[in-house]
Amino acid sequence: EVQLVESGGGLVQPGGSLRLSCAASGFTFSSYDMHWVRQATGKGLEWVSIIGTAGDTFYPGSVKGRFTISRENAKNSLYLQMNSLRAGDTAVYYCARGVCTNGGCSFDYWGQGTLVTVSS
Amino acid sequence: DIQLTQSPSFLSASVGDRVTITCRASQGISSYLAWYQQKPGKAPKLLIYAASTFQSGVPSRFSGSGSGTDFTLTISSLQPEDFATYYCQQLNSYPLTFGGGTKVEIK
Repeated sequence: EVQLVESGGGLVQPGGSLRLSCAASGFTFSSYDMHWVRQATGKGLEWVSIIGTAGDTFYPGSVKGRFTISRENAKNSLYLQMNSLRAGDTAVYYCARGVCTNGGCSFDYWGQGTLVTVSS
Repeated sequence: DIQLTQSPSFLSASVGDRVTITCRASQGISSYLAWYQQKPGKAPKLLIYAASTFQSGVPSRFSGSGSGTDFTLTISSLQPEDFATYYCQQLNSYPLTFGGGTKVEIK
């Protein structure tokens, strides 16, 4: 059974840093792209980052230069280092598995999310 | 960046109704569109990818169509467990983007 379990969320002051983790199990972690997606309370979904199987990364402008995604295949783990945090970064952060099959791509498995609150 | 506009943003319907949600992309995305269902307090769940391909285990009352810039998600006969928020997502180019969501509530 595929499982993704996030951890590391919490309360942090503006300008502070936080590192999220996502523990993966039930599949060959190294063979999949992995993503972070966030959702502010009562708001929609916002894609945050991707790390490909070769370690290539992409970010939207809202977090580029502040957030860093990484992976440790030997530990089946995904990370998100978040620096220079702002109130607008407050959200539930989900990790998700990316897959491309049959002519399309999607996020087929998601974790339960971890809450990050940026406040003084 | 590719913008996805979902409509309606809110929909009130009854059990048994046929429901259609649209998603329009600001530029062509071929068939690189996925649909997700999200219930309160839960992670999104993949319903459809490649615009019209069912994810395993998704009931056949859900269907997707479209390509290029215009897409639809249809629920042929709304069931009580279908009351949720639905999101489209484009995976054609970075940054990946989601539509604003459509909340389906009980009439």
